[in-house]
Amino acid sequence: EAGVAQSPRYKIIEKRQSVAFWCNPISGHATLYWYQQILGQGPKLLIQFQNNGVVDDSQLPKDRFSAERLKGVDSTLKIQPAKLEDSAVYLCASSLTVNTGELFFGEGSRLTVL
Amino acid sequence: QQQVKQSPQSLIVQKGGISIINCAYENTAFDYFPWYQQFPGKGPALLIAIRPDVSEKKEGRFTISFNKSAKQFSLHIMDSQPGDSATYFCAARNNAGNMLTFGGGTRLMVKP
Repeated sequence: EAGVAQSPRYKIIEKRQSVAFWCNPISGHATLYWYQQILGQGPKLLIQFQNNGVVDDSQLPKDRFSAERLKGVDSTLKIQPAKLEDSAVYLCASSLTVNTGELFFGEGSRLTVL
Repeated sequence: QQQVKQSPQSLIVQKGGISIINCAYENTAFDYFPWYQQFPGKGPALLIAIRPDVSEKKEGRFTISFNKSAKQFSLHIMDSQPGDSATYFCAARNNAGNMLTFGGGTRLMVKP
């Protein structure tokens, strides 16, 4: 079974530039999550989708971050404009349903903002 | 209220020893407590999980102890091996919508 796919794995940008990350969840998984993991910290939830609807985006900095999940499958997370403090690993995860305990994580996209 | 506090931040154990990582929470709405293991350059992977209606769960060398009244839970790794060297995260799920809140992580090093 293929895991959660993310790209790009690494991205370096200047502050105020924009960046987009892509995620393809495990086939059949209805729930998709984007987490931000700053070096040395635990992952922090940014947004949670159930199919193509948003379940929780209370911690998403909406002035600069946006995310969408078209057709309830792939998802894109965008940052525009990026700030230095956005340097982190962006983890995508999926689960079978919203009440399933286990989340399956991708390997993450490491963003460095200079 | 959504915080999960994890300790220690780092831990060094000799091969064959017992590794113990502790977590505490405040929110009584949490209903599911997983532990995730993360190797460098990889995403976290579920290791073991417990629900608040049991006090202990064991899977192989890994055991979760849960104290509902104290709002604390811990991970014990028996007979620790160098391959267990990784970062461990406790987490707690809010029963309202499957939002998983992670602790700050513990970097475990098992010396051969």
